[in-house]
Amino acid sequence: DAKTTQPPSMDCAEGRAANLPCNHSTISGNEYVYWYRQIHSQGPQYIIHGLKNNETNEMASLIITEDRKSSTLILPHATLRDTAVYYCIVASGGSQGNLIFGKGTKLSVKP
Amino acid sequence: GAVVSQHPSWVICKSGTSVKIECRSLDFQATTMFWYRQFPKQSLMLMATSNEGSKATYEQGVEKDKFLINHASLTLSTLTVTSAHPEDSSFYICSARATPGVPEQYFGPGTRLTVT
Repeated sequence: DAKTTQPPSMDCAEGRAANLPCNHSTISGNEYVYWYRQIHSQGPQYIIHGLKNNETNEMASLIITEDRKSSTLILPHATLRDTAVYYCIVASGGSQGNLIFGKGTKLSVKP
Repeated sequence: GAVVSQHPSWVICKSGTSVKIECRSLDFQATTMFWYRQFPKQSLMLMATSNEGSKATYEQGVEKDKFLINHASLTLSTLTVTSAHPEDSSFYICSARATPGVPEQYFGPGTRLTVT
C-alpha cells in the first residue's frame, strides 16, 4: 500500500501557483519523497525528489516539513499543460526501493 | 537524457494469442527494469521487477507463466502476455532505474493493449 495521502483533486487558475499537499506521517529516516506526474494516457514523468531539505528545479519546488511528515509540491506558474495526476511517493534506496503509486491528486488548471 | 521507449505504443490482438512489448533505455544502462499495469481510472500497479541476466521478481497475484519477462541486456526488457484474454486489456508501462540503490525511475510512454 502507498504510504502517502493526497487530496483526490484540486483546481488551479492558469498563471497562479499550484500547491499540492502530501502527508507521509510514517516516513522512515532513509526514505525520500518523490513526485511524479502522469498526463492522460502517458507514462509518469519525474518532477522532483528530496530527503530533508527543500528542493527546487526547473519544473517545481518541494517543501518538506521539519518533521518530514508532510510535503508540498509547488508549481510556481501553472499552465494548462500542467493538468495531470500528481503522485507523491516515499521510497528508500537499496534493492527494495520500489515506487508504490497511490491514487494521486488530479490537478486541473483552468484558463 | 534518461529516455525510455516502448514498442508498440498500442496493439490489438485476438483472444488466445500472445503479445510482446519491448522496453528500451535509450541513453543509459538500466540495472533494473520494472513493469506496471494501469486499468482505466486507476493508479499504476507494479507487476514485476527484473534485473539484467536474472529471473524477474513478480508481485503477489501476478502470474509469472502468463506475463513472461526477459531482461536480456542492460538496455532491453520484454514483456510477453501469453494467451491473452479480454481482461488483460490494459495500459502497460515500463520503467528503468539507472543507478543501483537510488529509487528514481524513468518511465516509458506506455503500451495500450486491447484484446478482442
